[in-house]
Amino acid sequence: DAKTTQPPSMDCAEGRAANLPCNHSTISGNEYVYWYRQIHSQGPQYIIHGLKNNETNEMASLIITEDRKSSTLILPHATLRDTAVYYCIGKISSGSARQLTFGSGTQLTVLP
Amino acid sequence: DTAVSQTPKYLVTQMGNDKSIKCEQNLGHDTMYWYKQDSKKFLKIMFSYNNKELIINETVPNRFSPKSPDKAHLNLHINSLELGDSAVYFCASSQVVDRGYGYTFGSGTRLTVV
Repeated sequence: DAKTTQPPSMDCAEGRAANLPCNHSTISGNEYVYWYRQIHSQGPQYIIHGLKNNETNEMASLIITEDRKSSTLILPHATLRDTAVYYCIGKISSGSARQLTFGSGTQLTVLP
Repeated sequence: DTAVSQTPKYLVTQMGNDKSIKCEQNLGHDTMYWYKQDSKKFLKIMFSYNNKELIINETVPNRFSPKSPDKAHLNLHINSLELGDSAVYFCASSQVVDRGYGYTFGSGTRLTVV
């Protein structure tokens, strides 16, 4: 699975977009990028995933660079409840029994 | 209805004891997992079960033994507890064993060994 690098912490003002970067320069062609988050004292929560194209769902948008060496998770209008640790994970989607491996993530703090 | 439920939420026990943590999912998922989150907040996979069959057993001491009576349940038994076993243990499930999305996690069991 690809090694990912994320900043340890970020702040964002409430109501503004939160842009969380992730570097995955060693990602291979068949590895997806997954994002999860963990709100304090809760289990991780799936957010979004993608391979090449940008993706959007009700929670967030995922922008993947053309060379796939980095990506950005965008929370369009951050709220206080979005304060959490965000994990970017690179993993082969199928044909592998390897499971999700969580790194250290980015602590996002949404400020009022 | 809670999708993935773990009991107990908190567990304080003495070194050397044997304890169990229970996990149940009502999502109809085929695969269940146990993760351990240590004091440094790193989440590490311990076990993965698909349709009651063990498919992943990362480097976990054999004092830890998962038991899956059916595909909706995955319990974790820990023998001869040690101080280093103190952590938060998360159960999770997913529909397909080798996909990275759609994992649903429980709320965790905080185990403290004294």
